[in-house]
Amino acid sequence: EAQVTQNPRYLITVTGKKLTVTCSQNMNHEYMSWYRQDPGLGLRQIYYSMNVEVTDKGDVPEGYKVSRKEKRNFPLILESPSPNQTSLYFCASRSHGADTQYFGPGTRLTVL
Amino acid sequence: GQQVMQIPQYQHVQEGEDFTTYCNSSTTLSNIQWYKQRPGGHPVFLIQLVKSGEVKKQKRLTFQFGEAKKNSSLHITATQTTDVGTYFCAGPRNQGGKLIFGQGTELSVKP
Repeated sequence: EAQVTQNPRYLITVTGKKLTVTCSQNMNHEYMSWYRQDPGLGLRQIYYSMNVEVTDKGDVPEGYKVSRKEKRNFPLILESPSPNQTSLYFCASRSHGADTQYFGPGTRLTVL
Repeated sequence: GQQVMQIPQYQHVQEGEDFTTYCNSSTTLSNIQWYKQRPGGHPVFLIQLVKSGEVKKQKRLTFQFGEAKKNSSLHITATQTTDVGTYFCAGPRNQGGKLIFGQGTELSVKP
């Protein structure tokens, strides 16, 4: 089944404790992206990747890192999480030249 | 900077009534996408419009892209309870992979 998976789905952590949210897709998509969703603000893009080893900042990259060492994986790293990074995070992927962007199920992160 | 605004933020309708959400960009867009997010779910891609003045239909949903390619609308005819959710529009910022989403319109349908 074609899908985008994220782990963990829920995470409660404390300020400053490094964490990684994994994202994986099995559709051989070149493009992958991370978004955060906050009430009243819609979806805001954090980082995106056009292909392996090619990443770029979205609108809200501060406090986040990403890497794209393999085509299928695009982890989101929070080196020192802060409470303002409490949010719902979505990973997404699509094929170059295609319209449809597929979203993962989301990761709800709480930073205390 | 470039903004994508969506109105209304909330819409409550009686089942069977029509619903429209509007999306306006501060700059010309090469294309516009629409997504639906059910409560507790993830965004699901509905459609992409590319041409100026384009109109596309999916059953009871009608999507329009403005002549100036700066605005778009989604119209649902005779809403059903299955239409409940938040509808987002999104447009690319440039030729790369940046995508800007509107704030979304949350639709509730009363049976």
